[in-house]
Amino acid sequence: GAGVSQSPSNKVTEKGKDVELRCDPISGHTALYWYRQSLGQGLEFLIYFQGNSAPDKSGLPSDRFSAERTGGSVSTLTIQRTQQEDSAVYLCASSSPGLAAQGTQYFGPGTRLTVL
Amino acid sequence: DAKTTQPTSMDCAEGRAANLPCNHSTISGNEYVYWYRQIHSQGPQYIIHGLKNNETNEMASLIITEDRKSSTLILPHATLRDTAVYYCIVRAPRGGTYKYIFGTGTRLKVLA
Repeated sequence: GAGVSQSPSNKVTEKGKDVELRCDPISGHTALYWYRQSLGQGLEFLIYFQGNSAPDKSGLPSDRFSAERTGGSVSTLTIQRTQQEDSAVYLCASSSPGLAAQGTQYFGPGTRLTVL
Repeated sequence: DAKTTQPTSMDCAEGRAANLPCNHSTISGNEYVYWYRQIHSQGPQYIIHGLKNNETNEMASLIITEDRKSSTLILPHATLRDTAVYYCIVRAPRGGTYKYIFGTGTRLKVLA
């Protein structure tokens, strides 16, 4: 079946502009995560959605970052007034609530954001 | 903060077994060990996970010590395409945020 998809694959923007990154999780997966990976670094957790529960936003680096998940499926990560340090690959993952899956997360290909 | 420690890098000859160690001495009783790999410019790829028993699938084997304080990922016949950064993660499957905390991983280079 289809995996996690993200769009766009690459985004170049100017400092100060807003950007929106999209994630389509695997169908039926109720949990969705956003991570960020700066060049040469490991992955950094940003935000987590689980069903209708309030999202865990503990990883968002500033109030310029926000995310929403509409209808329990597609999610959009928005970065306002982008800064050069926001340049990174933004990765989305989803997981199934089923016991057999034991919370295994499946990642999308990422969106490479470059802020000039 | 990552709960795992891994060597920064390893080399392995093509066709040989690659054994990647991971220490997780503070692992809790309900935490699983997950392994992922990340090939350059791609999203992390799930490999295998386990709780306390050894596990094997089509990609790899996972050996967990009896005290669960360490584990080893085994790629039985490494190929050039296995060159990647390998991440070992411990996490409870239920309760809390479920987020993965990634360390720096092991950069495996498979040599021809």
